[in-house]
Amino acid sequence: DVKVTQSSRYLVKRTGEKVFLECVQDMDHENMFWYRQDPGLGLRLIYFSYDVKMKEKGDIPEGYSVSREKKERFSLILESASTNQTSMYLCASSLSSQPQHFGDGTRLSIL
Amino acid sequence: GENVEQHPSTLSVQEGDSAVIKCTYSDSASNYFPWYKQELGKRPQLIIDIRSNVGEKKDQRIAVTLNKTAKHFSLHITETQPEDSAVYFCAASRQAAGNKLTFGGGTRVLVKP
Repeated sequence: DVKVTQSSRYLVKRTGEKVFLECVQDMDHENMFWYRQDPGLGLRLIYFSYDVKMKEKGDIPEGYSVSREKKERFSLILESASTNQTSMYLCASSLSSQPQHFGDGTRLSIL
Repeated sequence: GENVEQHPSTLSVQEGDSAVIKCTYSDSASNYFPWYKQELGKRPQLIIDIRSNVGEKKDQRIAVTLNKTAKHFSLHITETQPEDSAVYFCAASRQAAGNKLTFGGGTRVLVKP
């Protein structure tokens, strides 16, 4: 069974802090994705990666960056956290021709 | 880019009745359409998907239909049960299944016993 693990279920940070959200998958998937989930807006793609050291902007990349130094790990970085980044963050991974599998999510609160 | 709209945003049905959720998409090049179910506090999980070369697909009580001409697709759940209560998301992708998805806003389904 595919395992996508996000480092924290809940996280509370302060405005202006640099925040790291980590995601690890154990199925050698080449594709990895970061979404944020807000009520009524569904899941919106922030960044994605098709290979190590490769990244592409999604639909809402502003205020975020990512890092993929190893195939199994995809990190989302909030350079200077703001209150409007309070949200549920979901990581997903997939093989090129297969559906995406999601992690349990990180509920991030920025105070 | 792609835009996916999903209706209704909430749906309440009596146990045993059918539930239908509809989605429209804007990019005629989209060719892969998955549906995810998210129970309260849990991760989204794929329940069914359809590709653009197929008009309908069934899996037990769940079916999805696709109308490429009208650019809309629907999820049908028959004989609903309380465990069907969840938020359902439709999505569309321009490329293969593993590529980036554009999601609809979600439908909260409540099945009343």
